[in-house]
Order: sequence, then C-alpha cells, then structure tokens
Amino acid sequence: AQKITQTQPGMFVQEKEAVTLDCTYDTSDPSYGLFWYKQPSSGEMIFLIYQGSYDQQNATEGRYSLNFQKARKSANLVISASQLGDSAMYFCAMREGGGYQKVTFGIGTKLQVIP
Amino acid sequence: NAGVTQTPKFRVLKTGQSMTLLCAQDMNHEYMYWYRQDPGMGLRLIHYSVGEGTTAKGEVPDGYNVSRLKKQNFLLGLESAAPSQTSVYFCASSYPGHRGDNEQFFGPGTRLTVL
Repeated sequence: AQKITQTQPGMFVQEKEAVTLDCTYDTSDPSYGLFWYKQPSSGEMIFLIYQGSYDQQNATEGRYSLNFQKARKSANLVISASQLGDSAMYFCAMREGGGYQKVTFGIGTKLQVIP
Repeated sequence: NAGVTQTPKFRVLKTGQSMTLLCAQDMNHEYMYWYRQDPGMGLRLIHYSVGEGTTAKGEVPDGYNVSRLKKQNFLLGLESAAPSQTSVYFCASSYPGHRGDNEQFFGPGTRLTVL
C-alpha cells in the first residue's frame, strides 16, 4: 500500500485565492511526522511546513497551514492568498518513528497560479 | 554557508560506464541521503547514512553504492550505468532533531542521462 497518497496531479488557482492540496498517509506507527516541500521549475526542494503526530495544534508557517486530521490520516496543505511564485510541484512526505529520519515522499501535485 | 552542494550538475553516460556523484554539506549534519526523482514517482530513497563511516540501503539501492568517509561528504557511485538509471539525483542532509521535526536540506540535483 502507498504510504503517502497525493491524488491531485494538477491544480489551478486564481491569484490571491486560497488552495488546498490533498495528502493522505498510511502508517501504524504512533510516532510520525508529516512534511510538505515545494519544488519550483528551477528544481530545488524547499521545506515548507512540518506536523508531528502528537502535535495538538495544526502547523502554520506564514501563508502555509497544514490541516491535520489524524483520524482520517490526512495532512492537507492550505496556501492562502496564492501568489504567482507559488506555481510549483508540491510534495507531501512522512517520517515514521524516530531514528534516522527516513522519509517517504508522495508523487506530488503540480500547482499553477493564474493571474 | 553553501548548504548542500552536488557535483556535477549534469552528466551523460554510455551504458556500462561508471561515475561518482559527490554531495557535500557544510552544516555539520549527521544524516545524509541520496534520492532519485523520476516523473510520476516522486522521490525515492537510494541509500542513506546516519554518520561518518556508516551507510544503509534505502528503497531502491540496486545498482548503486555509497561511501561516507568524511562527515561532510556522501558519495554515490554507479559501477555500470544502465538506461534505467536515467534520473535526477538529489542529495539531502539533516541533523538528528529531538522531535523528529528537522527538515531535510536538499542539494540542487544532478541530471543524469544514460544512453
């Protein structure tokens, strides 16, 4: 079974609107972490936000927030007030357990912001 | 700080040739990783290292070898390149955070084509 599922191959959003990128995960480990990374067309991977399985509050970083629904095993990324520079691939990833930080990535969602 | 650097940025090989990709980080991170990124498949872990002198297999290790002789460097070797190894290779590093919330810092990637 896929550990990280991103079902939206591509998304469009109007500039200044909010957009939600979906991510569901599968793990039996009670301790895990969820990450979102951005990959612009230039190719580099940029860390956006992290949510730990024991965190009580949803993580927020500027215009990024993570809608963490533990019972549903979902960790959706919400980008508020989209900007043209948000056009990129977005990857959801999961770390299971502790230790060395092995992280499994989803296949990504391509977001395009329309002026 | 340069962060994570990768050498070379591009390379074209013929089937059967060998090469080594170099990753260097100046952040004193303990953990280092090699991923490959293929269209529609996200990032997949090839090998990783939890410290100088240690390496371990990831999800797709076949056809690759690694070495971590110095803490700051992580080398990925292809002994006999195959067309299936055509991919973009990313190196990453992270420190052993106590909460597991430490993100991975990525290099700019190496685009490898095997003819």
